[in-house]
Amino acid sequence: GAVVSQHPSWVICKSGTSVKIECRSLDFQATTMFWYRQFPKQSLMLMATSNEGSKATYEQGVEKDKFLINHASLTLSTLTVTSAHPEDSSFYICSAAPRTDTQYFGPGTRLTVL
Amino acid sequence: EDQVTQSPEALRLQEGESSSLNCSYTVSGLRGLFWYRQDPGKGPEFLFTLYSAGEEKEKERLKATLTKKESFLHITAPKPEDSATYLCAVRRGGGSEKLVFGKGTKLTVNP
Repeated sequence: GAVVSQHPSWVICKSGTSVKIECRSLDFQATTMFWYRQFPKQSLMLMATSNEGSKATYEQGVEKDKFLINHASLTLSTLTVTSAHPEDSSFYICSAAPRTDTQYFGPGTRLTVL
Repeated sequence: EDQVTQSPEALRLQEGESSSLNCSYTVSGLRGLFWYRQDPGKGPEFLFTLYSAGEEKEKERLKATLTKKESFLHITAPKPEDSATYLCAVRRGGGSEKLVFGKGTKLTVNP
């Protein structure tokens, strides 16, 4: 149990375009999901907390207008990277907690911006 | 500010050579210390949650322990498939659901 999926697993886009990443909890409902990014050989950095039916809470230094988060249902959260630039290239990972303290992570999405 | 420090950064073992990974933490009102395993290019895989000093949990060749200042992940007779980066994270009390991660320990087990 506690399976989280992400789509796509990897994406390459041109600079200036927008990219949407989906995060789904497959066997449980999650009122809260989390979005992280991870640069090579570094640990996970929390970007934002996604709340179903309300606005996301962003961490300090994360541009909310650039990283749009929508938590449309209890099983789906999306992250849209708007006007992507090469410095946005990273590994984006989502997580969710099924009524426990433990967060379960998706497989991640590798974004490369050319 | 909550802090998590993992050591060593990297560890090379021979198959069957037992060792321990360390996670030192500073957090206001610990509400859970978590161990994850991460393989290259993949998301973290949950291993253990520990809540209070003295607690221990085991899974196959792994055993996690917790004190008031640190946690250890003991690996007994490791195999090459145990090679991965092991991440430690803490969650503070007070209603926050945020996790603070350490930088991880990259474990390589040679056959």
